Amino acid sequence: AQKVTQAQTEISVVEKEDVTLDCVYETRDTTYYLFWYKQPPSGELVFLIRRNSFDEQNEISGRYSWNFQKSTSSFNFTITASQVVDSAVYFCALTDTTSGTYKYIFGTGTRLKVLA
Amino acid sequence: DVKVTQSSRYLVKRTGEKVFLECVQDMDHENMFWYRQDPGLGLRLIYFSYDVKMKEKGDIPEGYSVSREKKERFSLILESASTNQTSMYLCASSLSHSQLNYGYTFGSGTRLTVV
Repeated sequence: AQKVTQAQTEISVVEKEDVTLDCVYETRDTTYYLFWYKQPPSGELVFLIRRNSFDEQNEISGRYSWNFQKSTSSFNFTITASQVVDSAVYFCALTDTTSGTYKYIFGTGTRLKVLA
Repeated sequence: DVKVTQSSRYLVKRTGEKVFLECVQDMDHENMFWYRQDPGLGLRLIYFSYDVKMKEKGDIPEGYSVSREKKERFSLILESASTNQTSMYLCASSLSHSQLNYGYTFGSGTRLTVV
């Protein structure tokens, strides 16, 4: 079955520390996409990145980086030199095409608290 | 920018009331979704729709129904609200099946409290 696991419920770090959010997935699809979304206190989920199953290159965008490893079915997200504005709930998501449907499955989220 | 608008940010309703949550998107997206978000449970899919007048059940459809009379609008209906439906409700849209990698655009959410 399709599944996304975010084992870290809540993480607290002090500003400027690096932090890694873990995401492990299960899928039977050979072609699939993975996403990370950020939900700040305002509530709206904001798209951060997508990665397709054929592209295992790591991605870096400013202080954010993502490590996709098919061998371990993981798509981890690292924030370098964290800032208070990074405080949010972060969700990992996976495309689900079982039963001919086209939707995403979300993990339970990781709440990141960055302390000043 | 694609915009998904949910009509209410906060709602308080009484047990047994019929509740309508409205969602409108302005970019001609084919697919629309309703999720509820609860602490420790993440986002769970209630219903989704790929086209006007069509709907499909998600993982937790019990106690809910939906309506999609126009492409841009997707309504979630709580037929008889109960306290266990107190939650954050999130609407999302996406372009189409063929653009599965496109991702979702989310609304700001409606925090519903049933008393």
